[in-house]
Amino acid sequence: ILNVEQSPQSLHVQEGDSTNFTCSFPSSNFYALHWYRWETAKSPEALFVMTLNGDEKKKGRISATLNTKEGYSYLYIKGSQPEDSATYLCASTPNTGNQFYFGTGTSLTVIP
Amino acid sequence: GAGVSQSPSNKVTEKGKDVELRCDPISGHTALYWYRQSLGQGLEFLIYFQGNSAPDKSGLPSDRFSAERTGGSVSTLTIQRTQQEDSAVYLCASSLAAASYNEQFFGPGTRLTVL
Repeated sequence: ILNVEQSPQSLHVQEGDSTNFTCSFPSSNFYALHWYRWETAKSPEALFVMTLNGDEKKKGRISATLNTKEGYSYLYIKGSQPEDSATYLCASTPNTGNQFYFGTGTSLTVIP
Repeated sequence: GAGVSQSPSNKVTEKGKDVELRCDPISGHTALYWYRQSLGQGLEFLIYFQGNSAPDKSGLPSDRFSAERTGGSVSTLTIQRTQQEDSAVYLCASSLAAASYNEQFFGPGTRLTVL
């Protein structure tokens, strides 16, 4: 079992603010890092998957970076909007199997 | 097209009873995963199926938990002699294949409450 940690646990920001959160994972046996967004009363939806050290992915106002050597990934949201309110989950997958190990998530609330 | 569906959406049962949770994956997806989220916890991997291969059961918390996947499609997660600590949201996900880089598509989950 991999220990994946996310911080902060929850976050409240004003509309228009930019924010970021962290996912930490074991760097040994690493294969891929996934970010998902989980809105209340909906299913988790994939945002990004990254595999290479230094990877950066972007989708609209949301972007993510990956550092496999030190075992962390950042998710950035620029100009937060109320519709960004959700729990953001990261998952690490090892090169020893196909299990996904999820963190406990960061709950983001964007205040209009 | 249709996404992953799960039934029931909510299940309330008494301690000691058996329950069955169902998952219908996206058509054509060969991999199917089960997770659960207990209160205040992250998504906990339970089991995954890939095609006709033997499932990876490494995440099942006890021998009261079992899962089947019939015909490479629908899956049933069975919990025998339920305990209060089994109360959680059980999520199913499918993907094109079981691979560390493949996106998983999640169902809406089944909320299980054991009284």
